[in-house]
Amino acid sequence: GQQLNQSPQSMFIQEGEDVSMNCTSSSIFNTWLWYKQDPGEGPVLLIALYKAGELTSNGRLTAQFGITRKDSFLNISASIPSDVGIYFCAGPAGGTSYGKLTFGQGTILTVHP
Amino acid sequence: EAQVTQNPRYLITVTGKKLTVTCSQNMNHEYMSWYRQDPGLGLRQIYYSMNVEVTDKGDVPEGYKVSRKEKRNFPLILESPSPNQTSLYFCASSFGGKLSYNSPLHFGNGTRLTVT
Repeated sequence: GQQLNQSPQSMFIQEGEDVSMNCTSSSIFNTWLWYKQDPGEGPVLLIALYKAGELTSNGRLTAQFGITRKDSFLNISASIPSDVGIYFCAGPAGGTSYGKLTFGQGTILTVHP
Repeated sequence: EAQVTQNPRYLITVTGKKLTVTCSQNMNHEYMSWYRQDPGLGLRQIYYSMNVEVTDKGDVPEGYKVSRKEKRNFPLILESPSPNQTSLYFCASSFGGKLSYNSPLHFGNGTRLTVT
């Protein structure tokens, strides 16, 4: 099946720092999703992207849909301790609708106070 | 409260002993899906269901079965569990249709399965 590769696999940062992570695919995606998983819970949707080049913000989070449609980026500004968790990118296999949904391996974020 | 409920939260079993992990949602969602989460591999889709009596394989369906006889329930069945099925399992649901903020995927809190 399709694969999404996330980078980096893990990050250790100080509170207040900005964070950048990305997700790449060998095939084109028409929708990119970014999820966050808090320890002991299921993932929660942060941002959805629908068009190549689109830049969308959700509070301190900003995500971009790459113009090649094969990548996406997530930035977190001024990190705080509650940003700790695993961040996943995801996308549907073909199209823009629910069905077969592929997730990346995740980026584990640790924030030191 | 709108939620996806999985049971049990923790399960330890032995190789070959059939088990079922239940998943129920109270949001009248059409789409439901099962994932397994393993370190370094992220979330991998096992099966999904677009509606009642409609199920399809995800990326890692081998060794699993599902059924969707009612809209609210989507049980995951392991007929003959093996140690490589030790994992954290998540059920999720959505209204379906276009992926969007209006139709987000709601996840349960997970089932941690250990097969010895």
